[in-house]
Amino acid sequence: DAGVIQSPRHEVTEMGQEVTLRCKPISGHNSLFWYRQTMMRGLELLIYFNNNVPIDDSGMPEDRFSAKMPNASFSTLKIQPSEPRDSAVYFCASSLGQPNEQFFGPGTRLTVL
Amino acid sequence: GENVGLHLPTLSVQEGDNSIINCAYSNSASDYFIWYKQESGKGPQFIIDIRSNMDKRQGQRVTVLLNKTVKHLSLQIAATQPGDSAVYFCAENGSGGSEKLVFGKGTKLTVNP
Repeated sequence: DAGVIQSPRHEVTEMGQEVTLRCKPISGHNSLFWYRQTMMRGLELLIYFNNNVPIDDSGMPEDRFSAKMPNASFSTLKIQPSEPRDSAVYFCASSLGQPNEQFFGPGTRLTVL
Repeated sequence: GENVGLHLPTLSVQEGDNSIINCAYSNSASDYFIWYKQESGKGPQFIIDIRSNMDKRQGQRVTVLLNKTVKHLSLQIAATQPGDSAVYFCAENGSGGSEKLVFGKGTKLTVNP
């Protein structure tokens, strides 16, 4: 079975550009999570969805960040405009819901110049 | 507030020895705890989890201990192998029933051959 799929794996962009990260969760999973990982702040939850509905977006840094889940098999995290401090590895994870194991994707390494 | 921290940021052991990685948490309402392993360039990988109605759970070569009295979690790895070298994260769900995971900063385990 395919795990969580993320694209792109690497993204290099210039400050001010729009960045869109994509995630396909594991089929049958009800919950989807977006995390950001940096050396300074570790692994932080940005937002999570349950049954395609945003449940907790308290970790979203500011209005430049937005996330959508139009259907059960696809989610996007958008940064507009991007800034150098957004450089990090962004992970998507999915789970069956309830407090349960979250399965992580391989991540997208974002570099904003 | 929620706080998950690790006593030791780095741990170095000899191959074949047992390893113990410790974690402190502050939210007494947490009822789900989980350990992840993260190798360089990869997403976190599930190791083992435990719910608050248990104080010990065993897996293959790994054991998780939960002490709710002092809010302490530990991961024991038996007969540590070079392939166990990675960063290990503990996480808690922060409040009873929540799907949100709050991660610690991580402990880097190095296994010397």
